[in-house]
Amino acid sequence: DAGVIQSPRHEVTEMGQEVTLRCKPISGHDYLFWYRQTMMRGLELLIYFNNNVPIDDSGMPEDRFSAKMPNASFSTLKIQPSEPRDSAVYFCASSLVFNEQFFGPGTRLTVL
Amino acid sequence: SQKIEQNSEALNIQEGKTATLTCNYTNYSPAYLQWYRQDPGRGPVFLLLIRENEKEKRKERLKVTFDTTLKQSLFHITASQPADSATYLCALDMYGGATNKLIFGTGTLLAVQP
Repeated sequence: DAGVIQSPRHEVTEMGQEVTLRCKPISGHDYLFWYRQTMMRGLELLIYFNNNVPIDDSGMPEDRFSAKMPNASFSTLKIQPSEPRDSAVYFCASSLVFNEQFFGPGTRLTVL
Repeated sequence: SQKIEQNSEALNIQEGKTATLTCNYTNYSPAYLQWYRQDPGRGPVFLLLIRENEKEKRKERLKVTFDTTLKQSLFHITASQPADSATYLCALDMYGGATNKLIFGTGTLLAVQP
């Protein structure tokens, strides 16, 4: 298996633009997580899914953020409109229940 | 407030020595705790998981302890090598095993000097 795949790896956009981050989890994993990492706040959980259903989105900062998982092999995290304070590294991770999480390489987002 | 603290932002040790990293938590009763390694520009990589009924777990040069009374986990790297230099994150489950949701500490940057 290729591991968790994320795209794009880097994204530079201007304030107000829509940003879509993509993730393909490891096949067979039934949990998918979206995290955000910054120097100030560390690694924060935004939302996680179990069997494609959102379970906990309490970490989503505001309504500008949305996430979907239309099937077991694909998820998106969308920010609309983007703001400079959204600049961070966004990680997707997948796991089996109560096991270690496998992280993707991350998407480095810069909002100018 | 609920929080996880890792002993220091940075730890410098000499090659061959044992590195000891600490993870303290308050207001949680985790069923398990995990340790991850993160290299610059990469995602965290899982190292070890220890459950609440396990006092100690080992994997090669790594050892983790878990004291639920002290609310503390210690992570040891014996015979450290420069290649062990990285940021180490502890993570614990927030709801005593009821969910798969983890909360991560801010990490300790370990630098092993040759």
